[in-house]
Amino acid sequence: GQQLNQSPQSMFIQEGEDVSMNCTSSSIFNTWLWYKQDPGEGPVLLIALYKAGELTSNGRLTAQFGITRKDSFLNISASIPSDVGIYFCAGQLRDSNYQLIWGAGTKLIIKP
Amino acid sequence: DVKVTQSSRYLVKRTGEKVFLECVQDMDHENMFWYRQDPGLGLRLIYFSYDVKMKEKGDIPEGYSVSREKKERFSLILESASTNQTSMYLCASSLSPGRQAFFGQGTRLTVV
Repeated sequence: GQQLNQSPQSMFIQEGEDVSMNCTSSSIFNTWLWYKQDPGEGPVLLIALYKAGELTSNGRLTAQFGITRKDSFLNISASIPSDVGIYFCAGQLRDSNYQLIWGAGTKLIIKP
Repeated sequence: DVKVTQSSRYLVKRTGEKVFLECVQDMDHENMFWYRQDPGLGLRLIYFSYDVKMKEKGDIPEGYSVSREKKERFSLILESASTNQTSMYLCASSLSPGRQAFFGQGTRLTVV
C-alpha cells in the first residue's frame, strides 16, 4: 500500500528543548492529521490540516501542511515531561475517498 | 464528549481459539475501522466499514473477519487465533473516511 515516511523514528531530548518531526510522501494528500498516543492508550488527535500551506497551532504544538501537499511537519516548543509518547502523522490521499494512510510514528523520550 | 469503547483492555487467548473484539461508538459515525499496532510498524488497517453490514478489507485482512450489524458496533473476529496475532488492536470511528478518526483505548491481545 501507500507509504508515509515519518522521521525521526525516535527522539531523546532534554526537557525544555524544541522538537520537530515530519512526514513525507511521493503522493499528494488532501488532509494531514497529527495524533499523539500515550502508553497503553489509543491515539488522540492533536491537529488537523485541510489546506496546502495551512499552519495551525494548538498550545505549544504547531503543524503545517506542506505547499507541495506531499509533506507535513509538527513542532513542539519547550517540551515538558507529559509530551512523552508516540506521535503519528496520517493523511488522506488526493485520489482516495477512504481511509487514512499512517506514518510509523515518532517516539519522544525526555531525558530526566 | 465523543467516545469509542473497546470491550477489553487486555485479553489472553489460546492458539486456535475464536476471539471476538468488540467496539462501540456513541457518535453516530458511519465509518468504523480496526487497526493493529506493532512496534515500529505504526497502525495497519485490518478492515473498515462505511455502513451497516458493509465491510472492506484493509491492508492486512488475512486471519480476520468483521461484523457490523448495528451502526454503533463493529466487531473484529479472529477465526482461529495464532501467536502472530499477538498485538495491540485499535478501533476507530469517523464521520467520513478522510476526516479525523476517534480511537478507543485499545485491546492488548496475547495469544499463547
